[in-house]
Amino acid sequence: DGGITQSPKYLFRKEGQNVTLSCEQNLNHDAMYWYRQDPGQGLRLIYYSQIVNDFQKGDIAEGYSVSREKKESFPLTVTSAQKNPTAFYLCASSGGGRETQYFGPGTRLLVL
Amino acid sequence: KQEVTQIPAALSVPEGENLVLNCSFTDSAIYNLQWFRQDPGKGLTSLLLIQSSQREQTSGRLNASLDKSSGRSTLYIAASQPGDSATYLCAVIQTGTASKLTFGTGTRLQVTL
Repeated sequence: DGGITQSPKYLFRKEGQNVTLSCEQNLNHDAMYWYRQDPGQGLRLIYYSQIVNDFQKGDIAEGYSVSREKKESFPLTVTSAQKNPTAFYLCASSGGGRETQYFGPGTRLLVL
Repeated sequence: KQEVTQIPAALSVPEGENLVLNCSFTDSAIYNLQWFRQDPGKGLTSLLLIQSSQREQTSGRLNASLDKSSGRSTLYIAASQPGDSATYLCAVIQTGTASKLTFGTGTRLQVTL
């Protein structure tokens, strides 16, 4: 089955710890995205990548980092600099340009 | 800065009713507009995509319209069913912003028996 997978489903972070969220797609899509969703605020773009080895900051990139070494993978690291990391994180991909974005099932990050 | 608003924030209707969800955006220079569905604790499912040159798109019981000049889109759901209960989100890609989506805050729909 083609699609986007995210892991883990739930992630717990201790204060001062960096954690990495996984996003993999087998849709052969060039573009991938990371969004953060908070209650009542809709989705906000963290980072996006339109091609391998290239990525751009979105609207709320501070405290996050990404890499795009492979077309299929776009991991997101939530660093200790992100002071309010508790949220639902969604990864998406598209064929490039302004085509429909397809979303993964999400990872819920909680702070211990 | 583009702002996308969805009203109402929540809506409850009895099964079988036709209903309309509203989406408005402040900057009409958009490339396309998309409607998504989100079930609780899940990812988003794309429902319809309307290019800026189009006026509407249809898929089954769903019909989405776009009026760029007034900055509005509507999602019409015919003969609603309990399985339609979910949060509906609209999002726009603004001209010149590559593929960045700007989302509204969503309308939470409940269809009752």
